[in-house]
Amino acid sequence: EAQVTQNPRYLITVTGKKLTVTCSQNMNHEYMSWYRQDPGLGLRQIYYSMNVEVTDKGDVPEGYKVSRKEKRNFPLILESPSPNQTSLYFCASSPKRAGELFFGEGSRLTVL
Amino acid sequence: QKEVEQNSGPLSVPEGAIASLNCTYSDRGSQSFFWYRQYSGKSPELIMSIYSNGDKEDGRFTAQLNKASQYVSLLIRDSQPSDSATYLCAVNRVGSARQLTFGSGTQLTVLP
Repeated sequence: EAQVTQNPRYLITVTGKKLTVTCSQNMNHEYMSWYRQDPGLGLRQIYYSMNVEVTDKGDVPEGYKVSRKEKRNFPLILESPSPNQTSLYFCASSPKRAGELFFGEGSRLTVL
Repeated sequence: QKEVEQNSGPLSVPEGAIASLNCTYSDRGSQSFFWYRQYSGKSPELIMSIYSNGDKEDGRFTAQLNKASQYVSLLIRDSQPSDSATYLCAVNRVGSARQLTFGSGTQLTVLP
C-alpha cells in the first residue's frame, strides 16, 4: 500500500528535550516536505526536499532541522523544543514537485 | 493580505444542494492550483488540481479557475453528509514550483 508513515503519532515532551519525528514514504517520490498546522493559520511549510541531500527552508523553519540521506526518509528534528512548537505536524511527499501531495497521518506534538 | 485566502465558514448546505467554496490568491503569476479535503482528525487528501483557466470536472466536483480575477473555486454537486470536511485551497507561488501555500480552509457541513 502506498503510504507516508510518520512516528510518533502523539508525543508530549518538555522544553529543551531534543526529539525527532520520522517520516518514510514507499512511493519512490523525490519531493518531500514538512508542514505544521495550527488553528486559524492553516498549513505552513517548515522544510522541503527536492531529492536526496537537497533540502531548503519553507516559511517557518526556525527551531527545526531536517535531513535527507535516503530518498524514502525525511526526519524532522527539534533540537531544543519550545512551547510555541506545540502543533500538529504533517509530512508529505509528491511525484511532481510541490503540487500533488500525499500526506502522512500527522504527529501531534505538545511541548510543556 | 494573505497569499491565499478562503472564507473560514462554517458553510452549511442541505443534502443534495450545490456547495460552493471560494479561494483568492495574491500572486498573479501563480500557475498551479489544488483543492484538498481534510476530515476532522485526519490528514489532507488531494481531490482536485487545475492548471488552466476554465472548469475541470471530476465526478461531483468541479474546479473553476479565473487567473485574471485571481480566483479559484470548488463546486460540489449533490452534496452528501460525507462531504462534510474542511476544504483547503493551495497554490504554487510565482517562481517557486517547489513550494505550496495553503489557505486556512473552509469548513463545510452538509445537513441531512
